[in-house]
Amino acid sequence: GAVVSQHPSRVICKSGTSVKIECRSLDFQATTMFWYRQFPKQSLMLMATSNEGSKATYEQGVEKDKFLINHASLTLSTLTVTSAHPEDSSFYICSARVGQTPYEQYFGPGTRLTVT
Amino acid sequence: GDSVTQMEGPVTLSEEAFLTINCTYTATGYPSLFWYVQYPGEGLQLLLKATKADDKGSNKGFEATYRKETTSFHLEKGSVQVSDSAVYFCAHGGFNKFYFGSGTKLNVKP
Repeated sequence: GAVVSQHPSRVICKSGTSVKIECRSLDFQATTMFWYRQFPKQSLMLMATSNEGSKATYEQGVEKDKFLINHASLTLSTLTVTSAHPEDSSFYICSARVGQTPYEQYFGPGTRLTVT
Repeated sequence: GDSVTQMEGPVTLSEEAFLTINCTYTATGYPSLFWYVQYPGEGLQLLLKATKADDKGSNKGFEATYRKETTSFHLEKGSVQVSDSAVYFCAHGGFNKFYFGSGTKLNVKP
């Protein structure tokens, strides 16, 4: 149980285009989802916290107009990278929290974004 | 600010060797501490956790003790297997925000 999927697993896009990444909780309802970004050989950096039916809370330094997060249902959150540039190339990982259990976050397998 | 520092990899061991991956943290307050493991092509999985000082988390032969005096949470296993080859992440956090180390890749050779 507690499986989180991400789609796509890899995506290559041209500079200036937008890319949408989906994060789904497959067998549970996730009231809260988190989006992380990971640079090579570096930590996972929290980008934003997404609560179902409300606006996402972005971490300091993350451009909310560039990284659009939508959490329209209890099983789906999306991250859209708008007007992508090569510096947006990265590994994006989502996680979901089950109910109000504070310590249980289930992670998706990640999406590798390459902007050319 | 809050952060997690863990030893750089890769760590290469022979099967049945003893494993230690060091992890230290800086934090405001008293966070919970975690080790996550990521197998190739998969998401992060919670390996073990400790929620207060002196707690020992354990799972699948791995152990880590929450040491407040040294702000450490080192991961140990007495006898590693080839199937333990993965990337290990140390993290601290609470209800919402997690801070992750950079990950340590473990390679176990038969």
